[in-house]
Amino acid sequence: DVKVTQSSRYLVKRTGEKVFLECVQDMDHENMFWYRQDPGLGLRLIYFSYDVKMKEKGDIPEGYSVSREKKERFSLILESASTNQTSMYLCASSPLSGGSGANVLTFGAGSRLTVL
Amino acid sequence: LAKTTQPISMDSYEGQEVNITCSHNNIATNDYITWYQQFPSQGPRFIIQGYKTKVTNEVASLFIPADRKSSTLSLPRVSLSDTAVYYCLVVLNRDDKIIFGKGTRLHILP
Repeated sequence: DVKVTQSSRYLVKRTGEKVFLECVQDMDHENMFWYRQDPGLGLRLIYFSYDVKMKEKGDIPEGYSVSREKKERFSLILESASTNQTSMYLCASSPLSGGSGANVLTFGAGSRLTVL
Repeated sequence: LAKTTQPISMDSYEGQEVNITCSHNNIATNDYITWYQQFPSQGPRFIIQGYKTKVTNEVASLFIPADRKSSTLSLPRVSLSDTAVYYCLVVLNRDDKIIFGKGTRLHILP
C-alpha cells in the first residue's frame, strides 16, 4: 500500500559526487515536494513542483536542483555533494491546490544521505 | 513568510489527554489547518485537518476558535506509542509553498 516511494533508504557518498534521489508517487498528485530534515531544524523545503516540468524554489534551494519529467516522478539532484548536505531527505506529494486537499501531504519513508 | 508557533516539547503520562496548541496569527480566510505526526526515522503522516470550530476523527480532535488565530490538537488518553513530533501546518501563500514549523516533540511517560 506504499504510495510515495523513495528509491534509496540509505546512501553514502563522497564529497564532490553527483547524487540523485528519486521519488515516485502513484496517487496522480499534481504537487510534489522535497524537504530535508535535520535535528533541531525541523522540515525545510528545498524545492517543489506543481506540474510536469515546473519547479519552484523552497527555502533552501542552494546546492540542489530538481527534475520533473513525468507527473509521478520528482528527482532531487546534488550536483556536487558536500558534507553539510548530510541529512534525511523526504519527498511528499499532494493533490492540486485550491482546497483543503493541497495541505494533505503524503510522505515517503525518507532517504538518509551521508556525505563523507 | 508563513509562520506557526508551537511549544518545542511536552511531556505527559499514559492515559492522560494531551492538548498541543499552535498559533497562526496571519492565517488567511481560505486556509485550512492541518496536523501531522512523525515517528523517528519515518516521514510525517497526516492526522487531522479543520477550518473552523471542531473536527474529530478516530485519532484526535482539533479545536479552532472563531478568530482562527490558533488551533489545539487534542489526543485523548495517550499511550507510549503516541510519543512523536507533531506539526501544525497552515498554508499562507497562494503559490502552494508548504512550510512546516519545527513541531512539538511529545514524550509520553509510563
